[in-house]
Amino acid sequence: AQSVSQHNHHVILSEAASLELGCNYSYGGTVNLFWYVQYPGQHLQLLLKYFSGDPLVKGIKGFEAEFIKSKFSFNLRKPSVQWSDTAEYFCAVNAWGIGSNFGNEKLTFGTGTRLTIIP
Amino acid sequence: DGGITQSPKYLFRKEGQNVTLSCEQNLNHDAMYWYRQDPGQGLRLIYYSQIVNDFQKGDIAEGYSVSREKKESFPLTVTSAQKNPTAFYLCASSIDVNTEAFFGQGTRLTVV
Repeated sequence: AQSVSQHNHHVILSEAASLELGCNYSYGGTVNLFWYVQYPGQHLQLLLKYFSGDPLVKGIKGFEAEFIKSKFSFNLRKPSVQWSDTAEYFCAVNAWGIGSNFGNEKLTFGTGTRLTIIP
Repeated sequence: DGGITQSPKYLFRKEGQNVTLSCEQNLNHDAMYWYRQDPGQGLRLIYYSQIVNDFQKGDIAEGYSVSREKKESFPLTVTSAQKNPTAFYLCASSIDVNTEAFFGQGTRLTVV
């Protein structure tokens, strides 16, 4: 079964610091990769996604992520964070491959990383 | 406006009672999902449906049931068999299972 790991549970940064949140998945087939953000009191929204092509993808609000297939990783980055980036961030994967069936094609989330930005 | 509507936002029930959470979407999406969000555990998939009249168990389906009689609706019933039902429940939909999901505002269920 596919799984997603986010090892940073809570990250605290000062404004203008650089950010990198880790995401690793376990599945050998073809993957679609996502980062979602949940701002306090708001619903989950998509930050960025990777389906194919350039492994460096850019999303909203200056975020980017790099898909490294050999490392099964899809880390989220931002060069300079703002106080308004305080939120919870979730990595998600759906995957399929040879022999996949209906049951393999579900969207699986990591446990999330809470990001706190100090003004 | 197009989107996903979950109702109610807050729900209280007595232990031992079944309760149904509503999820409606007008995005014409084929796939719909129910997740449960608990602190420190992220989102865990309860059930999902790729098309009308079909649905599959997710990772934590025990104590829950769903139906998908209409494309736009995917209600979730939390039964008395669910041992720890108090949680935040999120419904989502996507064009298909290989595209990004759009989420509703969630329903916070408290069982007392």
